[in-house]
Amino acid sequence: AQKITQTQPGMFVQEKEAVTLDCTYDTSDQSYGLFWYKQPSSGEMIFLIYQGSYDEQNATEGRYSLNFQKARKSANLVISASQLGDSAMYFCAMTQAGFQKLVFGTGTRLLVSP
Amino acid sequence: GAGVSQTPSNKVTEKGKYVELRCDPISGHTALYWYRQSLGQGPEFLIYFQGTGAADDSGLPNDRFFAVRPEGSVSTLKIQRTERGDSAVYLCASSSDRAVTGELFFGEGSRLTVL
Repeated sequence: AQKITQTQPGMFVQEKEAVTLDCTYDTSDQSYGLFWYKQPSSGEMIFLIYQGSYDEQNATEGRYSLNFQKARKSANLVISASQLGDSAMYFCAMTQAGFQKLVFGTGTRLLVSP
Repeated sequence: GAGVSQTPSNKVTEKGKYVELRCDPISGHTALYWYRQSLGQGPEFLIYFQGTGAADDSGLPNDRFFAVRPEGSVSTLKIQRTERGDSAVYLCASSSDRAVTGELFFGEGSRLTVL
């Protein structure tokens, strides 16, 4: 069964610095997708970035990039130039059962300080 | 509105009572999902609808949980004989068939507290 592991319960970063949030996964599927979602205190899950298992290039979306290392089964999220509004919970997730549902990790709480 | 709407945002009930949670997805989205998020955990899959039918209900924990989507838009998650362990945030999400990545758009959730 698919499993996502996020080993950092909390991370601190200063404004304008870069931060890496770790994510490792376990799957026997050949084709899968990896996602990162942000969950601010409002509770809504906000899609940040997607990486397909066959994508050769690392995904990037503005200040977000996904460091995909397939052999190591890791999909770390890199946030460049952190902003105060980046303070939130961040969840790594992967597809299960043919992309019809997601399995989530336990999340990392990011705090950006001025 | 433009996003996924969930009501109520908060629900407090007593053990043994019946609860309904409503989700109004983004207009035109054919896929609808329910997830449950317990304190300190990531969301866990409950059920997935494609149109009016439940395509996958393997995440429903037991037969006290049931969900419907009779007209292929609004969905209702129904919980009978609530237990304290049902306390969680219930998240609804929708997606478009044309979403290449299967990106899900989530609502803000319904926080259920069972006393």
